[in-house]
Amino acid sequence: GQSLEQPSEVTAVEGAIVQINCTYQTSGFYGLSWYQQHDGGAPTFLSYNGLDGLEETGRFSSFLSRSDSYGYLLLQELQMKDSASYFCAVREDSNYQLIWGAGTKLIIKP
Amino acid sequence: DADVTQTPRNRITKTGKRIMLECSQTKGHDRMYWYRQDPGLGLRLIYYSFDVKDINKGEISDGYSVSRQAQAKFSLSLESAIPNQTALYFCATSDVTEYTDTQYFGPGTRLTVL
Repeated sequence: GQSLEQPSEVTAVEGAIVQINCTYQTSGFYGLSWYQQHDGGAPTFLSYNGLDGLEETGRFSSFLSRSDSYGYLLLQELQMKDSASYFCAVREDSNYQLIWGAGTKLIIKP
Repeated sequence: DADVTQTPRNRITKTGKRIMLECSQTKGHDRMYWYRQDPGLGLRLIYYSFDVKDINKGEISDGYSVSRQAQAKFSLSLESAIPNQTALYFCATSDVTEYTDTQYFGPGTRLTVL
């Protein structure tokens, strides 16, 4: 079957660095995406990794290792506004459908 | 103005009623999607459409139907609503290239079936 595993909750301190891991088991793989969702809001796109390695966008970075079926989202210089749920999603095939993880709730403490 | 809009934003209905959720987009994307989200869970795909004439079932299409009236409009219907269809529903469009894969979501419709 297909599955994405990510921690249900992560707690960190304002100003710190946090890493949210995602491991996947899918029949195919085209790329790994990350989305942020604030409570009551819609998911918003953060990053996409189609190839192995690190993608950096400001304070956020995303990493992919296809051989390990693993990726992570790295958030630096955490701010209170980063408190949200973070979802990884795999593009499994050429139909461009996404398979979604259950999400990681990031709690940031002052 | 928002690129992807959904109406209504909130709806309370009774078991057995027919409900339509509407989605419009100004992004010019061909691909549109309907998802539902339940508390503590990720998004599950209901239906998706790659153009006006191409509509496909997703993971959980039973009890739902869709209509793609135009490139910009994609509606989701619950023919006979039941309580376990109470959820947050999102419409999305997508922009996919060889190097990017981005979905753009509407604000969501919170549906409660009593």
